[in-house]
Amino acid sequence: KQEVTQIPAALSVPEGENLVLNCSFTDSAIYNLQWFRQDPGKGLTSLLLIQSSQREQTSGRLNASLDKSSGRSTLYIAASQPGDSATYLCAVRPVDNYGQNFVFGPGTRLSVLP
Amino acid sequence: DVKVTQSSRYLVKRTGEKVFLECVQDMDHENMFWYRQDPGLGLRLIYFSYDVKMKEKGDIPEGYSVSREKKERFSLILESASTNQTSMYLCASRGGGSGNTIYFGEGSWLTVV
Repeated sequence: KQEVTQIPAALSVPEGENLVLNCSFTDSAIYNLQWFRQDPGKGLTSLLLIQSSQREQTSGRLNASLDKSSGRSTLYIAASQPGDSATYLCAVRPVDNYGQNFVFGPGTRLSVLP
Repeated sequence: DVKVTQSSRYLVKRTGEKVFLECVQDMDHENMFWYRQDPGLGLRLIYFSYDVKMKEKGDIPEGYSVSREKKERFSLILESASTNQTSMYLCASRGGGSGNTIYFGEGSWLTVV
């Protein structure tokens, strides 16, 4: 059964730092991996989607990489800002179960201090 | 712009009441999902639907049912609400095919007293 973990559980950094969030999954048979941002009390906002055949995706200050064979993805945030404070979740879409379900990680709670 | 709309953001219901949570998407997506999110337990799938009138159980379907009479609308029903169903409920949708993004609504906070 696919399991997704995220390290660290929480992270606090000063404004302007570059940072890396980690996501690990146990089964490499996935269609894609997606990174989300969740603000307190709100829904999830999609940040980046990486297909299983891709190595990375970029959007503005965000860069996500995927190493399917080792079951790892990283989300790199450049020049962090207080507005980046949120919980970041990754999710994989497994090939089994007809790929209908997503398996979510528990999230990393990020605080960027002014 | 992509839109998944959950009709109620905050609800307070009494134990034993029947509760309807409504979700509408405007992207003509085939797949729709209902999750609940609890501290320490993460997101758990309740039900999903891959077509009109089709539904599949997720990881925690007990105490819930769903309805999808139209492609754009997916309803979650709590037949007899209980206090352990107090939670944040999230609706999501995704287009067909292997590569599509999943989009979430803003969430519905349900408190059962």
